[in-house]
Amino acid sequence: DAKTTQPNSMESNEEEPVHLPCNHSTISGTDYIHWYRQLPSQGPEYVIHGLTSNVNNRMASLAIAEDRKSSTLILHRATLRDAAVYYCILMIRGTSYGKLTFGQGTILTVHP
Amino acid sequence: DTEVTQTPKHLVMGMTNKKSLKCEQHMGHRAMYWYKQKAKKPPELMFVYSYEKLSINESVPSRFSPECPNSSLLNLHLHALQPEDSALYLCASSQVGQGGRNYGYTFGSGTRLTVV
Repeated sequence: DAKTTQPNSMESNEEEPVHLPCNHSTISGTDYIHWYRQLPSQGPEYVIHGLTSNVNNRMASLAIAEDRKSSTLILHRATLRDAAVYYCILMIRGTSYGKLTFGQGTILTVHP
Repeated sequence: DTEVTQTPKHLVMGMTNKKSLKCEQHMGHRAMYWYKQKAKKPPELMFVYSYEKLSINESVPSRFSPECPNSSLLNLHLHALQPEDSALYLCASSQVGQGGRNYGYTFGSGTRLTVV
């Protein structure tokens, strides 16, 4: 499975944008880029996913580099509730089921 | 209903006990998953079911026995566990990707298992 590399931790202030980077230099043409987050004492929560184009939803935006070797999850205005572990994961496109393999993730701390 | 429900939320069991974890979803998802998460570690995939059939077993010891009795239910039967099996057990479900499409997973809140 192709691997992803994320910083161990990042910090942000409340109401400021947050850019969480992810490197995936060995990504293949059939890999989707998924982002999940896990709040304390909860199961992981789906945030967003994309293949080639940038994606937006109500939670976040996903910016994908043109060569697809890196991506950035953007939280437009961080709140205290966004403090979590954020996982960037590659998933093979079009399989009958997805095999989601978690890496170490980035611990995001949000300061009031 | 957009949730995955796991019961019980907490479970303490002895090493000679037999217990079961239950997972339920009513989103029409035909893929279901069991993950194990140790403290301060990422979740690790254990089993994948697709259309109620076991598709992936990630070399999990036989003291963990999964079962998918129908498209909405997933069980994990536990027998003769060890203290090192204490962890958060997470269930997830997803639509089955076809035609090149890919879907996100929905996770439950987990069952926190302690083996004594």
